[in-house]
Amino acid sequence: QQQVKQSPQSLIVQKGGISIINCAYENTAFDYFPWYQQFPGKGPALLIAIRPDVSEKKEGRFTISFNKSAKQFSLHIMDSQPGDSATYFCAAARIQGAQKLVFGQGTRLTINP
Amino acid sequence: EAGVAQSPRYKIIEKRQSVAFWCNPISGHATLYWYQQILGQGPKLLIQFQNNGVVDDSQLPKDRFSAERLKGVDSTLKIQPAKLEDSAVYLCASRKPGTGSTGELFFGEGSRLTVL
Repeated sequence: QQQVKQSPQSLIVQKGGISIINCAYENTAFDYFPWYQQFPGKGPALLIAIRPDVSEKKEGRFTISFNKSAKQFSLHIMDSQPGDSATYFCAAARIQGAQKLVFGQGTRLTINP
Repeated sequence: EAGVAQSPRYKIIEKRQSVAFWCNPISGHATLYWYQQILGQGPKLLIQFQNNGVVDDSQLPKDRFSAERLKGVDSTLKIQPAKLEDSAVYLCASRKPGTGSTGELFFGEGSRLTVL
């Protein structure tokens, strides 16, 4: 019930291409879905987040698509750049009661120049 | 604004030894978290503090792990005795007051533990 499943584990994309990372959750009580980006040797940093009252949120080249009925959400990186090479984690939480953030397993993204 | 500070960055110990990690959150951040990140996995919450009180320690292996946050600022995470499976990066994070579950977590760079 608390799991967030993320795929793929690793992804290689050519520069300029679209990177897509998918996540699925089980707990229908989750109502906050952030994505964190982690570079080697650094802690994760918030990239973008969405709440289920919208189906899509876009910030620059990064877009979250959310499908409430399927209990799935995904991160799309448009015009992927070598600087986007990092590990990406999806996460989920219940807002009420300041519930803890549950992270997916992570996707190691490599953008080839 | 200074970020979350953690030390040491790296630690290598033998199994059954003890180790302690220190975290100094961003000034004014009342909520502090310790996460365990095993290689190839996402961070897993060990313990959450609100000021100097424990909010959630349901996933903390209390037979060997302990944490404290004296005076509601710095925090220490201790492992005693360490097991091979404790090899991981221990991440400290903090959150601005009043932001609740949707508030951004600010992570430190982590303390990498290797247990031999």
